[in-house]
Amino acid sequence: EVQLVESGGELVPPGRSLKLSCAASGFRFDDYAMHWVRQAPGKGLEWVAGISWNSLSRGHADSVKGRFTISRDSSLHLQMNNLKIEDTALYYCAKGGDGDPQVDSFDSWGQGTLVVVSS
Amino acid sequence: AIQLTQSPSSLSASVGDRVTITCRASQDIRSSLAWYQQKPGKPPSLLIEDASSLQGGVPSRFSGSGSGTNFTLTISSLQPDDFATYYCQQCKNYPLTFGGGTKVEIK
Repeated sequence: EVQLVESGGELVPPGRSLKLSCAASGFRFDDYAMHWVRQAPGKGLEWVAGISWNSLSRGHADSVKGRFTISRDSSLHLQMNNLKIEDTALYYCAKGGDGDPQVDSFDSWGQGTLVVVSS
Repeated sequence: AIQLTQSPSSLSASVGDRVTITCRASQDIRSSLAWYQQKPGKPPSLLIEDASSLQGGVPSRFSGSGSGTNFTLTISSLQPDDFATYYCQQCKNYPLTFGGGTKVEIK
């Protein structure tokens, strides 16, 4: 059974940094693209970033480009710098496919980790 | 970025009703569309990919159709477990984008 467990979310003031992580099990993590998707309270879904199985292909949403960086080793990570109030959201880790992450749908999701940016 | 417009944004329906949700893309995405169901307090769950391919374990009352810019999710006979919010997502290219969601409520 695929399991994705996010961690690292917390309450931080604007301008601070935070690193989220996602621990994966139940599948060959190294073979699949992975993504971060967020959901602001009471709002819809927004794709944040994706990374290929070998880290050679990465993409970030325009809203976070230059501030957030996706990476992976034995886990998935999201380095979030210069956080803004509008980054407040539940951040989900999501599993992609075994090819190009640009054409992915997400067949497994974690429960999410909450990031609150507030002064 | 490819924009996805879902309609309606909400609907009220009764158990047994046939429900149709529409997703319109701002450009041709061929069949590169997925549908998700999200219940309150839970992560989304993939229902359909490639516009019409049902994920394993998803009841056959769910179906997807369309290609190009116009897509439809249909629930043939609404069940109590189906009251949720539904999202479409384009899988054509970065940035991956979602529709605004359709909340299906009990009438």
